Amino acid sequence: QQPVQSPQAVILREGEDAVINCSSSKALYSVHWYRQKHGEAPVFLMILLKGGEQKGHDKISASFNEKKQQSSLYLTASQLSYSGTYFCGTGVNQGGKLIFGQGTELSVKP
Amino acid sequence: GAVVSQHPSWVICKSGTSVKIECRSLDFQATTMFWYRQFPKQSLMLMATSNEGSKATYEQGVEKDKFLINHASLTLSTLTVTSAHPEDSSFYICSASSDRSTEAFFGQGTRLTVV
Repeated sequence: QQPVQSPQAVILREGEDAVINCSSSKALYSVHWYRQKHGEAPVFLMILLKGGEQKGHDKISASFNEKKQQSSLYLTASQLSYSGTYFCGTGVNQGGKLIFGQGTELSVKP
Repeated sequence: GAVVSQHPSWVICKSGTSVKIECRSLDFQATTMFWYRQFPKQSLMLMATSNEGSKATYEQGVEKDKFLINHASLTLSTLTVTSAHPEDSSFYICSASSDRSTEAFFGQGTRLTVV
């Protein structure tokens, strides 16, 4: 079943923060976050495997809650290059099969 | 990170013809490959899962006779869109994972336009 992402779209000014949520109706083994620019393939951001895990690099981080049914992506001090559509991909077992959320379109304005 | 190469990047074909898309893992053995399709402004929808040397498993609603998947080696999977029609125009993306790996690596995608 497809995970639900919220919000569907968000517009930010450069330097503002944003949170994107990904919620599943079932327990997950893994959550993968991607960013996709128009006309391009998705670019891998990070993977979370353990309930309670948090990780990040640069000013993008993510968490995976203890019950392993929800993940959030945090974008801090957004840059123009952060614009794009963000997808969470959820896995229910160890294999690489992912079911993607509907996406969150993020626009960062100068 | 692991590299997955997809070819071609784009293709335009006439209605009724067949098109083959290749997905190669360049630096690892991909025991499992996944094929996704993405229509404009929509999410990536899983079409099928292929394991090396066995028949692909198709998701509900995906016609296996129309979308032929072959995964004959540990580094190559192909998707053939047979008798393509304009409604098959889409962005097709493959991903690959190694044995029992959780992470999947995506190719750069193929934009198919059927005219």
